[in-house]
Amino acid sequence: DERLVESGGGLVKPGGSLRLSCAASGFTFSSVWMSWVRQTPGKGLEWLGHIKSKDAGGTTDYADGRFTISRDDSENTLFLQVNNLKIGDTAVYYCASGGHYFGTWGLGTLVTVSS
Amino acid sequence: EIVLTQSPGTLSLSPGERATLSCRASQIITSPYLAWYQQKPGQAPRLIFYDVSNRATGIPDRFSVSGSGTDFTLTISRLEPEDFAVYYCQQYVTSPWTFGQGTKVEVK
Repeated sequence: DERLVESGGGLVKPGGSLRLSCAASGFTFSSVWMSWVRQTPGKGLEWLGHIKSKDAGGTTDYADGRFTISRDDSENTLFLQVNNLKIGDTAVYYCASGGHYFGTWGLGTLVTVSS
Repeated sequence: EIVLTQSPGTLSLSPGERATLSCRASQIITSPYLAWYQQKPGQAPRLIFYDVSNRATGIPDRFSVSGSGTDFTLTISRLEPEDFAVYYCQQYVTSPWTFGQGTKVEVK
C-alpha cells in the first residue's frame, strides 16, 4: 500500500524556520510528482507547491516564495522548508502524491506558530 | 488565482437521500482539470474524482459528477452512513492550484 508519513512539525516562534519531512513507501517514489498541502480552520486547504519527478525535470512550482520543496529519491523522502513563519502559517501540513491532483495523502503534521 | 465557491456550506440530509453539491469557479476551467475530495474528521482528504469525471480507485458508483465551464456538481445518489463528511473541489488548470472551502454533508 502507498504510504506517506510526515514529521517535523511542532511549536515555532514567528520569524522562525521549519523543515518538514515526508517518508514515502509502497510505490516508486522517484517516478512520482509530489506536493505539499496545508489545512487551516480559517483558510481551508491550500496547495503550497509541487516538485516534479527527476525524469520530468525535477523542477518546482510554488504558491508562495517562502516555501522550498526538495526531495531525496535515494531516501524516498520529500521535504518542505518554510522560512519567516507567521502566525497564519499555523496549520496541519500534508504531503501528497501527485503534482496536480492528489491521490495519496499522509496523516499530516501540525505546525503551530506562536510566541 | 481561480476562486472556487462551494455551496451549500452545509447539507443536512438523512441516509438514503440524494446529495447535490455545487462548485463554481471564478474563471472558466477550459481543461478537465477539476478534482473532488472527501474528508472525514481526523483524517486526510481522500481523492474521489479527478480530471472532472474520473472516479478514483474504490469510489462507489453512487458518486457521480457533472458540469463544465465554471459550474460543476458532485452528486451522491443515496447517502450511506460513511458518506457523511466534508467535500472539497480543487482546480489544477492555473497555478496556484486552489480548493473550494468545502461542503459539509451532515446527518439530519
